[in-house]
Amino acid sequence: EIVLTQSPATLSLSPGERATLSCTASQSVSSYLAWYQQKPGQAPRLLIYDASNRATGIPARFSGSGSGTDFSLTISSLEPEDFAVYFCQQCSNRPLTFGGGTKVEIK
Amino acid sequence: EVQLLESGGGLVQPGGSLRLSCAASGFTFNSYAMSWVRQAPGKGLEWVSFISVSGNSIYYADSVKGRFTISRDNSKNTVYLQMNSLRAEDTALYYCTKGHSSAYYMFDYWGQGTLVTVSS
Repeated sequence: EIVLTQSPATLSLSPGERATLSCTASQSVSSYLAWYQQKPGQAPRLLIYDASNRATGIPARFSGSGSGTDFSLTISSLEPEDFAVYFCQQCSNRPLTFGGGTKVEIK
Repeated sequence: EVQLLESGGGLVQPGGSLRLSCAASGFTFNSYAMSWVRQAPGKGLEWVSFISVSGNSIYYADSVKGRFTISRDNSKNTVYLQMNSLRAEDTALYYCTKGHSSAYYMFDYWGQGTLVTVSS
């Protein structure tokens, strides 16, 4: 099973700041990585698929990069609605696995 | 507008069974793979099961293999999850998800979830 490790667990930032979230895979997943955003009481929302492609309707301030084992999600300038938990997910190998999440909170 | 509406959750005793349903609308159901993903209270996400468009390819997480069965009825735009021999650790919010068109193991739409509680 591929283990995804997300860091940091919590990121405390102010609106307007840049956020960089990390996801490290225990073995290569090529570019088969997605990022999701989840707000309290809501279902997750797909942000990025195949490591760097924005999903439909996702603002340009969200970007994904990386391949192999090291990936990042960048939010260029945090908006109030971006404070949430972010999960990465790999689909290179079954079982499909998710990272433990990074909470982006208001500083 | 894509909608995924789960139903069938509830309180069940250990060893019991439940059948979850997910009614899909707003897209061509018989063109997309579907999956179930669960989230225990206050915890992260866990993929449970995948079913291809035709139903010929089906996969499960090891934690549910042999106990859960996924199926779909393309004539009813519905995907199911039959859950048998339920355990306390199966307690979670179960999400129905739609596979992305070009990355079908990634999930571009999610339902609001149905809560399964396994307790005596």
